[in-house]
Amino acid sequence: EAQVTQNPRYLITVTGKKLTVTCSQNMNHEYMSWYRQDPGLGLRQIYYSMNVEVTDKGDVPEGYKVSRKEKRNFPLILESPSPNQTSLYFCASSFQGAGTEAFFGQGTRLTVV
Amino acid sequence: AQSVTQLDSQVPVFEEAPVELRCNYSSSVSVYLFWYVQYPNQGLQLLLKYLSGSTLVESINGFEAEFNKSQTSFHLRKPSVHISDTAEYFCAVMISGGYQKVTFGIGTKLQVIP
Repeated sequence: EAQVTQNPRYLITVTGKKLTVTCSQNMNHEYMSWYRQDPGLGLRQIYYSMNVEVTDKGDVPEGYKVSRKEKRNFPLILESPSPNQTSLYFCASSFQGAGTEAFFGQGTRLTVV
Repeated sequence: AQSVTQLDSQVPVFEEAPVELRCNYSSSVSVYLFWYVQYPNQGLQLLLKYLSGSTLVESINGFEAEFNKSQTSFHLRKPSVHISDTAEYFCAVMISGGYQKVTFGIGTKLQVIP
């Protein structure tokens, strides 16, 4: 089954404790991205990757890191989480091409206390 | 840069009544337009999209959207809603010919009342 898998689905952590949210896709997509979803703000792009070893900042990259060492994986790293990073996070992937749709993971609800 | 405006954050509607969810976009170049749906506790999934050609596009579950270039709109409509349509709907825009960046609206929560 074609899918984007995120782990964990739920995470509560403390301020300053490094964490990684994993994302994996099995569709051989070139393009992957991370979004955060906040009430009243919709989805905002954090980082994206156009292919292996090619990543760039989205609209709200502060406090986040990513890597793309393999085509299928695109982990999101919070080196020193803060309470303002409490949010619902989505990973998405798509083929490179005109108007191709994005496939989303189920989401990771992160709470930083 | 492109932007998307969804004018209504919440839309309550009775079951079997029609509904329209409004979406306006802003861009200096040609765009592709999308509607995504998010059911409770799930990720987003594509509902329909406009790339080119006929300005009216339809989904398999009875939704339709019409691209109006002069009004820069892409409103989503359904003539008769069902309880199962209760979800949050996101309008999104992508610059045609560019890379894959998608800009999303803030979302409209559709609440279907029995």
